Amino acid sequence: DSGVTQTPKHLITATGQRVTLRCSPRSGDLSVYWYQQSLDQGLQFLIQYYNGEERAKGNILERFSAQQFPDLHSELNLSSLELGDSALYFCASSPTGRGAHEQYFGPGTRLTVT
Amino acid sequence: TQLLEQSPQFLSIQEGENLTVYCNSSSVFSSLQWYRQEPGEGPVLLVTVVTGGEVKKLKRLTFQFGDARKDSSLHITAAQPGDTGLYLCAGFQGGSEKLVFGKGTKLTVNP
Repeated sequence: DSGVTQTPKHLITATGQRVTLRCSPRSGDLSVYWYQQSLDQGLQFLIQYYNGEERAKGNILERFSAQQFPDLHSELNLSSLELGDSALYFCASSPTGRGAHEQYFGPGTRLTVT
Repeated sequence: TQLLEQSPQFLSIQEGENLTVYCNSSSVFSSLQWYRQEPGEGPVLLVTVVTGGEVKKLKRLTFQFGDARKDSSLHITAAQPGDTGLYLCAGFQGGSEKLVFGKGTKLTVNP
């Protein structure tokens, strides 16, 4: 158990819909990272938040957005869903936001868009 | 184009055999990490290598960072069924805080 929690574990929805994925970091960790894992692309970095502020952005689509709240939990919002958005979405946390540090991954949310 | 290329993609071996998996890039990384991921779970960090030429050992696992910091290898001695999983390499480039992952090597160790 990494100490990072993600809900829900599974999500099935239809194209065009909007969903929200939730992540609670390890106690004391200030950084939250979101990743998308698909069979063809592997694990792709989406976005990082540090202590409530956006710190780094990866290959995140404009239809996707995220935020980190004062209690440090984070939400990833996915809208106008397409079949290709079906993937595993992972959240990771770390104590700091800089340098070669260990990231602790949650168990993931499996999103299926039908 | 994948920044980090891992090979082989799939590896199926018998218990007790040795194996090496590779992680290669044309780019320099300030550090490389190796993760292991089991089905239905998130990746778990095994090791971080920072210095070119560095070798780190974790029980039966040996990790090496290339001299030029562009490649890394993971060697497993006397593999066990519990070693089964997806092995991912990941790296930070320069001052970037974005962790770039390879697509992984899926290892199956048969009893």
